[in-house]
Amino acid sequence: QSVLTQPPSASGTPGQRVTMSCSGSSSNIGSNNVYWYQQLPGTAPKLLIYGNNQRPSGVPDRFSGSKSDTSASLAISGLRSEDEADYYCAAWDDSPSGRVFGGGTKVTVL
Amino acid sequence: EVQLVESGGGLVQPGGSLRLSCAASGFTFSDHYMDWVRQAPGKGLEWVGRIRNKAKSYTTEYAASVKGRFTISRDDSKNSLYLQMNSLKTEDTAVYYCNKASRGADGLDYWGQGTLVTVSS
Repeated sequence: QSVLTQPPSASGTPGQRVTMSCSGSSSNIGSNNVYWYQQLPGTAPKLLIYGNNQRPSGVPDRFSGSKSDTSASLAISGLRSEDEADYYCAAWDDSPSGRVFGGGTKVTVL
Repeated sequence: EVQLVESGGGLVQPGGSLRLSCAASGFTFSDHYMDWVRQAPGKGLEWVGRIRNKAKSYTTEYAASVKGRFTISRDDSKNSLYLQMNSLKTEDTAVYYCNKASRGADGLDYWGQGTLVTVSS
């Protein structure tokens, strides 16, 4: 059971907009920044969003993040076949102290 | 370019020990906190622990599932991070990733390719 709650799956057709949620509590998302990671099949995770809504250089602006109170969300607009991957949210938890992850959302491009 | 290269994974019997290493390059290693994260086969990501930098006295924090069995250390002179794993259990079977923490240390901005640890008799 993950501390952060994500839906197990999401899907869309090419070009569509897909969103996924990440629910936490006051001690993690409510107090700290949210990070999002993309894990393509058979590879290590890669940073997708930091500081709730900032994209590292090289990440397409089709990816966007937001946060409100104790929840966060990731949106992928203009869905492409190469976006098929697992997406994880993460945050630092102040109590008990430690880094926490969501269980991951598997995105399928139909 | 930031690079994190793990090594030391393999097959170990329950109750055994293993030491993982992570060679870092492309950034000022000594400035940053470093983490270990693991992923059991077909499962999600699980934080293992972290070590702070010299300014924070190299203090460590661990997940409850590994506390007392795993020890994280670093050698800034060698730009290396280590994970000593003792009293291994079958549930410790996972790919172990070495991670560089962001400047604010509230997230992880780079991941290694991972090394597989299999605990089985």
